[in-house]
Amino acid sequence: DTGVSQDPRHKITKRGQNVTFRCDPISEHNRLYWYRQTLGQGPEFLTYFQNEAQLEKSRLLSDRFSAERPKGSFSTLEIQRTEQGDSAMYLCASAGSRNTIYFGEGSWLTVV
Amino acid sequence: EDQVTQSPEALRLQEGESSSLNCSYTVSGLRGLFWYRQDPGKGPEFLFTLYSAGEEKEKERLKATLTKKESFLHITAPKPEDSATYLCAVRTTGTASKLTFGTGTRLQVTL
Repeated sequence: DTGVSQDPRHKITKRGQNVTFRCDPISEHNRLYWYRQTLGQGPEFLTYFQNEAQLEKSRLLSDRFSAERPKGSFSTLEIQRTEQGDSAMYLCASAGSRNTIYFGEGSWLTVV
Repeated sequence: EDQVTQSPEALRLQEGESSSLNCSYTVSGLRGLFWYRQDPGKGPEFLFTLYSAGEEKEKERLKATLTKKESFLHITAPKPEDSATYLCAVRTTGTASKLTFGTGTRLQVTL
């Protein structure tokens, strides 16, 4: 396993701009998750895919957030019209048949 | 609503000074309790999964235990490299396999 890969690792953007994060899960993991984490807090669930189907979305995921997982492989998380409150670390995770959820190193977003 | 509470928020130990971290949970139906380690600026690193009361798992200086209401992460003779934030999370019935996390315990081990 090469691990969950996220890109970019750091992003600084101006308020109002759109940003997109990419996640490449561990190969053959059919489940993929997005979480958000702010300083001093635990990760908060955003959304979940099984293969290409988005099965659950948190109410934290406003209309400005959209996630996709075309072909059930990599996933993207897009934030439109960013706000300062969107500043956080965005974590991607994946799981296979063993049910253990493995996290990537995260993508840090700073909105200025 | 599922709730996970970790205590203490922060813990400072001297090298070799054993202690325990607590994770208490209130859930509708537990399908697994997970412990992760998180270093600053990095993603959580999986440590253990516990599924039923009475279960124990060990890895090097760490041992995790589970009861019907809480889990403990025991750290025996810690070393400075054990310094990190330790996160507890639960997976419950009817939640499509997502994890609900506590806020973590920041552990610092000094020489």
